[in-house]
Amino acid sequence: GDSVTQMEGPVTLSEEAFLTINCTYTATGYPSLFWYVQYPGEGLQLLLKATKADDKGSNKGFEATYRKETTSFHLEKGSVQVSDSAVYFCALRLDADKLIFGTGTRLQVFP
Amino acid sequence: DAGVIQSPRHEVTEMGQEVTLRCKPISGHDYLFWYRQTMMRGLELLIYFNNNVPIDDSGMPEDRFSAKMPNASFSTLKIQPSEPRDSAVYFCASSPGGGNQPQHFGDGTRLSIL
Repeated sequence: GDSVTQMEGPVTLSEEAFLTINCTYTATGYPSLFWYVQYPGEGLQLLLKATKADDKGSNKGFEATYRKETTSFHLEKGSVQVSDSAVYFCALRLDADKLIFGTGTRLQVFP
Repeated sequence: DAGVIQSPRHEVTEMGQEVTLRCKPISGHDYLFWYRQTMMRGLELLIYFNNNVPIDDSGMPEDRFSAKMPNASFSTLKIQPSEPRDSAVYFCASSPGGGNQPQHFGDGTRLSIL
């Protein structure tokens, strides 16, 4: 079935370090791909999305490129801040209306 | 603009009691989703509605769980009777359409069943 696999966390970084959180997917069709972020005590917020192959989603310094050949949608940021500490979820959406989420990756950034 | 509003934010109750969680979606959004989040199972979709009609309830764990959407601005998720394994954070989300439209989440209800 359709699924999303994320790297396990926590990912621990120093401020201004480079971030990569890996995400790969399995889907029978051509999904749209999303990254959501969850800050402590809050619900998930959409961070960025890409709807077709080779699209790059970006927001707040985060980027992810839809790679059909490797079925991946890795999240990157060039210089993380303490305020980026959160749980990041990769998700896909096919023809149906529901999202399929990965298990989430916790990011901890220290000053 | 008001986001998705959930109530209560926290609920602590004893096993066997009825629990009702409430959600007010963003005005104009015609999709509403109920999720459950636990450390063990992550984020699970329980049920979702389109135009107040339940579309997919395959994620509802068992008959003790029920959800309704009597109108476009209100939905409830009910657990009766509640059990300790139902302890989780329950999220409601809404979206203005299917496909590529993002889902907007509420801040969740943290439920503890003693």
